[in-house]
This record gives sequence, C-alpha cells and structure tokens, in this order.
Amino acid sequence: AQSVTQLGSHVSVSEGALVLLRCNYSSSVPPYLFWYVQYPNQGLQLLLKYTTGATLVKGINGFEAEFKKSETSFHLTKPSAHMSDAAEYFCAVTRSNDYKLSFGAGTTVTVRA
Amino acid sequence: DVKVTQSSRYLVKRTGEKVFLECVQDMDHENMFWYRQDPGLGLRLIYFSYDVKMKEKGDIPEGYSVSREKKERFSLILESASTNQTSMYLCASKPTGTPGTEAFFGQGTRLTVV
Repeated sequence: AQSVTQLGSHVSVSEGALVLLRCNYSSSVPPYLFWYVQYPNQGLQLLLKYTTGATLVKGINGFEAEFKKSETSFHLTKPSAHMSDAAEYFCAVTRSNDYKLSFGAGTTVTVRA
Repeated sequence: DVKVTQSSRYLVKRTGEKVFLECVQDMDHENMFWYRQDPGLGLRLIYFSYDVKMKEKGDIPEGYSVSREKKERFSLILESASTNQTSMYLCASKPTGTPGTEAFFGQGTRLTVV
C-alpha cells in the first residue's frame, strides 16, 4: 500500500516570502511523485513530477521540489510567493508498477499582501 | 491540447435518484479514473478503468458503479443517491506506458444531494 502525508492543511505566507509545502510518502516500491495545483472551481493541473534521474525537479510558475529517498519526502518550494499562488496544492504518488495515483489531503495556500 | 471534459459543473439531485456523471477525453488514453474530493480528505479513488469494459474498484467504491463502453467515455453512476455523496467529483485520464506519465483532470462536477 502507499500513502501520502501533507503536513499542514493551511499555509499563510506574505507576498515575496518563501513557500514551503511538505509531503512525505510511503511506498513499498520506487515511487513516482507529483505535485498538482487546484485553483478555485477548477480541476487539477500538474506543477511538477519526479520519475527518475535528477532529484531536484523544476516545475511551472517558479516551483521546484526535491526527492529525498532517505527521508521519503518530496517537499515543494517557491522562493518568492505571488498573489496568484493562492490555491490548493496536492502531493500524489504512484508506484512504478501501477497507474493509480494516491493523493495527500491537500494544503491550502493563502498569500497576504 | 489535452482535454478531459465533464458533462456538468454543478448538479443538484434528490435522495434516491439515479445519477450519471459523464466524462469524455480526447487523448486516446487507456486509463480513466473517478475521484471524489472532500475537504481535509484530498482525492480518493472511487473506480478506474484500464480498457474498454474493464474496471477496477478503488478505495471507496461503495454506492457507486461505472461504465466504459467506449474508450473515450467513462461514466460514474450513483444507483441511489444519498446525502453523504454530496461532494466534488473529478475525472482523470492517463496513457498506458510509463506510470510516471501525468494524469489529466477534468474541471470537476460539484454534486449536491438534497
């Protein structure tokens, strides 16, 4: 079985401040890891993903995430928050021998002016 | 551009009604999924299909069924809607091949059962 834990259901940051969203996973086989973003009243959009190779992956809108196998983590960061980053963010994992995605509970980000 | 289309953005149904949620994808993907999204619970998989007429239960299949008669269309059926099925429903599709390929999501259907 696989599971995903996102620490913190709500994160509030000031515009221009660092955004850090935490994700830990459990998987019995090598995982593929994803971060999705959901803007209000919309579906999910892929931010970035880790499959193999370089453990630091860059995504859209200035986001990046680092896969740390020893810590079973895939934390998402953005150096400088923008008002348009206000959304809900989901970490997800799939196993290398499966197609189903398992999602974390989500983290809602608010950005203060 | 990749597209997953859900037939309704908002639905209001009465308790006991049979409800159909429709999803169509135009990418010739083999795999299609139905998720339910609730606050604090994230997305939970209801059913998925890896080929026409093939389906597999997800984590919360109780009270739901699915139909996939054509590759591009995946329907979620609530046989007898109940108030605890009030939720946001998201459809997704994904190609076969590398499991690391991303899934593409529809806009969601917000279902209210009264």
